[in-house]
Amino acid sequence: NAGVMQNPRHLVRRRGQEARLRCSPMKGHSHVYWYRQLPEEGLKFMVYLQKENIIDESGMPKERFSAEFPKEGPSILRIQQVVRGDSAAYFCASSEGESDTEAFFGQGTRLTVV
Amino acid sequence: GESVGLHLPTLSVQEGDNSIINCAYSNSASDYFIWYKQESGKGPQFIIDIRSNMDKRQGQRVTVLLNKTVKHLSLQIAATQPGDSAVYFCAENTSGGSYIPTFGRGTSLIVHP
Repeated sequence: NAGVMQNPRHLVRRRGQEARLRCSPMKGHSHVYWYRQLPEEGLKFMVYLQKENIIDESGMPKERFSAEFPKEGPSILRIQQVVRGDSAAYFCASSEGESDTEAFFGQGTRLTVV
Repeated sequence: GESVGLHLPTLSVQEGDNSIINCAYSNSASDYFIWYKQESGKGPQFIIDIRSNMDKRQGQRVTVLLNKTVKHLSLQIAATQPGDSAVYFCAENTSGGSYIPTFGRGTSLIVHP
């Protein structure tokens, strides 16, 4: 049973380009969470999705950032017109969605904006 | 706002010692807590969890204690090994209609051989 798969592991983009980060949850999980982590800091919640629905996006910047989790395929975190401040590690987690079940994390995508 | 926080950002111990990592939380509605370990360059890895109807849970070399009265959580690692060196996060599942793991800043554990 494969864990949470994120790709790419490393992504370099020039300022103004678009970044697309992909996350395939664990088999049987229909709840996906995206987090952002800066060096020496904790994980900041961005968005919580279920299949075809955004449940909570209270941590998402209002502009340039969007997320989706289609019926088929991986969840996508999309950052348009990237800026240097977007450089960070982005982690995806999945769970069964119940209150007392843990979320399993992928290995992250490290985005560098040059 | 409500938050999860950690008391000590860095903890240095000698190999073989016991380690205690502390965590304070402020959301009294949280009913599930998880400790994660994050090694450099990797994603957080589940260590142990505890539900709010418990005050202690033991795993292999790890014990989590929950004190709901003072909203305090701790992770005890017995006979700490160099492989335990990592950043440790506590997370709480907040309930606001949906359960979202919310993380504190983390404690860096350094184990000296």
